Amino acid sequence: GAVVSQHPSWVICKSGTSVKIECRSLDFQATTMFWYRQFPKQSLMLMATSNEGSKATYEQGVEKDKFLINHASLTLSTLTVTSAHPEDSSFYICSARGTTDTQYFGPGTRLTVL
Amino acid sequence: AQKVTQAQTEISVVEKEDVTLDCVYETRDTTYYLFWYKQPPSGELVFLIRRNSFDEQNEISGRYSWNFQKSTSSFNFTITASQVVDSAVYFCALTLIDTGANSKLTFGKGITLSVRP
Repeated sequence: GAVVSQHPSWVICKSGTSVKIECRSLDFQATTMFWYRQFPKQSLMLMATSNEGSKATYEQGVEKDKFLINHASLTLSTLTVTSAHPEDSSFYICSARGTTDTQYFGPGTRLTVL
Repeated sequence: AQKVTQAQTEISVVEKEDVTLDCVYETRDTTYYLFWYKQPPSGELVFLIRRNSFDEQNEISGRYSWNFQKSTSSFNFTITASQVVDSAVYFCALTLIDTGANSKLTFGKGITLSVRP
């Protein structure tokens, strides 16, 4: 149980384009989903927290107009990186939390912006 | 604010050795959860254990064991008879038991464990 999927697992795009990453909880309802960014050999950096049906709460320093988060249902959240630039290249990981207070993580999406 | 310190950055052992990964945490709250996650080279964080601040019982799961000591604010993780498949980055994390905004995970910096055959 507690499986979280992410799609795509990797994506390469040109500078200036937008990329959408999906995060799904497959076997439980996620009241809260989280989006993280991880640089090589570093820990996870929380970008935003989203609750189903409400606006996401962004961490300080994260541009909400650049990283659009939608949590349309209890099993799906999306992160859209708008007008991506090379400095947005990173490993993006989502997590989902249901009623157990434990965050379960997706497999991550590696974004490369050329 | 919460803080999790994993002082060890990299550990290298030979297969079958026992290894202990240290985790020290700071929080003023009395109700919290502690976690360990494993991140293998594939990148996915795998949930290993959650411990409630009220429960100081040590736990064993196969080759894995955890020692939680509130007196020293530590939640250490021991792998017995390590195997090559244990090679990964291990994160210790803390969250307050709260359904509001404070329920974010505070991560340590992670420990890279390499198990050599």
